[in-house]
Amino acid sequence: QVQLQQSGPGLVKPSQTLSLTCTVSGGSISSDGYYWTWIRHHPAKGLEWIGYIFYSGSTFYNPSLKSRITISLDRSKNQFSLRLNSVTAADTAVYYCATHTLTPEPHEFDIWGHGTLVTVSS
Amino acid sequence: QSVLTQPPSASGTPGQRVTISCSGSSSNIGSNTVNWYQQLPGTAPKLLIYTNNRRPSGVPDRFSGSKSGTSASLAVSGLQSEDEADYYCASRDDSLNGLVLFGGGTKLTVL
Repeated sequence: QVQLQQSGPGLVKPSQTLSLTCTVSGGSISSDGYYWTWIRHHPAKGLEWIGYIFYSGSTFYNPSLKSRITISLDRSKNQFSLRLNSVTAADTAVYYCATHTLTPEPHEFDIWGHGTLVTVSS
Repeated sequence: QSVLTQPPSASGTPGQRVTISCSGSSSNIGSNTVNWYQQLPGTAPKLLIYTNNRRPSGVPDRFSGSKSGTSASLAVSGLQSEDEADYYCASRDDSLNGLVLFGGGTKLTVL
């Protein structure tokens, strides 16, 4: 059973870079066909898809965030990571990593990390 | 405003059947599968329905999903107090390079 463990700071200063990591256990990030995803939840605005990275390394980003996002794989550590630069208060949210194991469809997220509340504040 | 439109709220009494709608377009719901997620306060979303109408193991059969054209629905029958949560539909959009869309969410209240 694939499990996802998130890590990263919960407080980031405005204009700096948010960095989060998701460690995969019970499976390999290099497994054929898998997409590894980041999603965030704004309490007042609901869920927002940030982007995902294919097992091959190809990335797909939300156009509204594309200029500020980097999602990457670290195969040696079986991890994938999110970097969001030039953050503002509007980026304050709970960030989740997620993936799909039931079907090949990348948006059918049956496995989620526990979530990380990231607050952007000086 | 979300591309996938859900009612902001829904309610019912214990034992009732409640339906939550999700309206999209030909490039998203009309062309891709729909999923439903349940989110309890302070917890990660949980996949409730996938591929329009399939339930993951462990999800009670009180929850069912359907899709017709560019709309989808989640039905909860035999409503229970623990069903009080936020519910989100999701799909992909072919016109936006496969971008994943979530509905705005529906707060289900058990009266």
